[in-house]
Amino acid sequence: KQEVTQIPAALSVPEGENLVLNCSFTDSAIYNLQWFRQDPGKGLTSLLLIQSSQREQTSGRLNASLDKSSGRSTLYIAASQPGDSATYLCAPWGSYIPTFGRGTSLIVHP
Amino acid sequence: EADIYQTPRYLVIGTGKKITLECSQTMGHDKMYWYQQDPGMELHLIHYSYGVNSTEKGDLSSESTVSRIRTEHFPLTLESARPSHTSQYLCASSPTSGEANEQFFGPGTRLTVL
Repeated sequence: KQEVTQIPAALSVPEGENLVLNCSFTDSAIYNLQWFRQDPGKGLTSLLLIQSSQREQTSGRLNASLDKSSGRSTLYIAASQPGDSATYLCAPWGSYIPTFGRGTSLIVHP
Repeated sequence: EADIYQTPRYLVIGTGKKITLECSQTMGHDKMYWYQQDPGMELHLIHYSYGVNSTEKGDLSSESTVSRIRTEHFPLTLESARPSHTSQYLCASSPTSGEANEQFFGPGTRLTVL
C-alpha cells in the first residue's frame, strides 16, 4: 500500500524567503504526481501535475520535481508571499487513485 | 479547468436524519471520488466511481452509500446520521486520459451532526 510522508509538517517563514517542501512515497510505480494547495475549510486546488516521464514542472513561482526511483518529489516556492499561506499536499497516482500525504502547513508572515 | 459543485456547503443536522450530499461536475469526467477529511488530518477516500453505474468503496470504512446514474452527478447518502459522521466531505473528479490523471476538487461540505 502506498504511503506518503511530507516534511516538514509545518513551516513559518518571513515574506520573501525561498521554500522547499518535501514529499516521499514508498511505491515508486506511479503514473504521475500532483501537488495541491488547501486553504482552511476549503477544497483542494491543483497546483502542478508531473507525469511519470517528466522530472519537473513549473508554474509561476512554483517548481516541482519528481524522482520516481527514489520515491521523492519537491515543491519549490520562490519569493514567498503571505498569500501563499495554506496547506500543501502531494499525491502520487497509482492506477486511477491518488494517495495523499498529511500536508505541510505553511504560514508566510509579512 | 473542471467546475465541480457541492451542495450544501454547510449542514447541521440531528442524529438519525437521512441526508444526501450533492456533487456535480460539468466537464464530462468519467472518474469521481468522495473523500472525508477531519480538521488538520489527511484525506480518506470513502467512495469512487469509474463511470455510470460503477461505484467502489474506498480505503476508509463508511456507512454512506453513493450512486452514479448520470456522468455529471455523484451524490453521497447517509441513511442515519450520527455525531461520528461530523466531518468535511470533499468531492473530486478526473478525466480518463491515459497517464495524465489529474484530480479537481469541489469546495466541500462541512457536516455537523448533533
